Amino acid sequence: GDSVTQMEGPVTLSEEACLTINCTYTATGYPSLFWYVQYPGEGLQLLLKATKADDKGSNKGFEATYRKETTSFHLEKGSVQVSDSAVYFCALTGAGSYQLTFGKGTKLSVIP
Amino acid sequence: DGGITQSPKYLFRKEGQNVTLSCEQNLNHDAMYWYRQDPGQGLRLIYYSQIVNDFQKGDIAEGYSVSREKKESFPLTVTSAQKNPTAFYLCASGEDRDPDTQYFGPGTRLTVL
Repeated sequence: GDSVTQMEGPVTLSEEACLTINCTYTATGYPSLFWYVQYPGEGLQLLLKATKADDKGSNKGFEATYRKETTSFHLEKGSVQVSDSAVYFCALTGAGSYQLTFGKGTKLSVIP
Repeated sequence: DGGITQSPKYLFRKEGQNVTLSCEQNLNHDAMYWYRQDPGQGLRLIYYSQIVNDFQKGDIAEGYSVSREKKESFPLTVTSAQKNPTAFYLCASGEDRDPDTQYFGPGTRLTVL
């Protein structure tokens, strides 16, 4: 079945540092790929998505590129802020399905 | 304001009692979903519904039940048969024209004592 593997956390960075959270997936066909963010005590918010190979999703300074050849969708940001502290989930919907399969989440803490 | 509401935010119940979690959306979305989140884990799908009066089991449906009598509402009942019900429960909805994308409510944290 479909699966998502993302780097284990927690990740602690200083403000203005560069961020990369790795995500790889296993799925048949061409899944859609997502990054969701969860702030403490809240539900999930869609951060960005990509629906086909080589697409780049971007939002709020975050970017991720759909790499079919490496089955990856790594999340990047050039300069993190304290307000970026949250748990980040990589997810996919398989071909022909609208059910989300999630990774386990990566907790990011940004310190001033 | 359009959105998804879940109530209550925190819920405490004694072991052996059934409890119903509310989920309401005014986004006019056809599809609705229930997920369970445990510490350090991703979300796991409990039930989903793509249309009124129809719903399907997800990966971990045992010990849970749902109904979908109205488009706006998708309540989840955690029954006494659920062996480990303490968790964070998230409801989501999605629209037909962009079915890949789901929008989440704020969640309900259920603690069974």
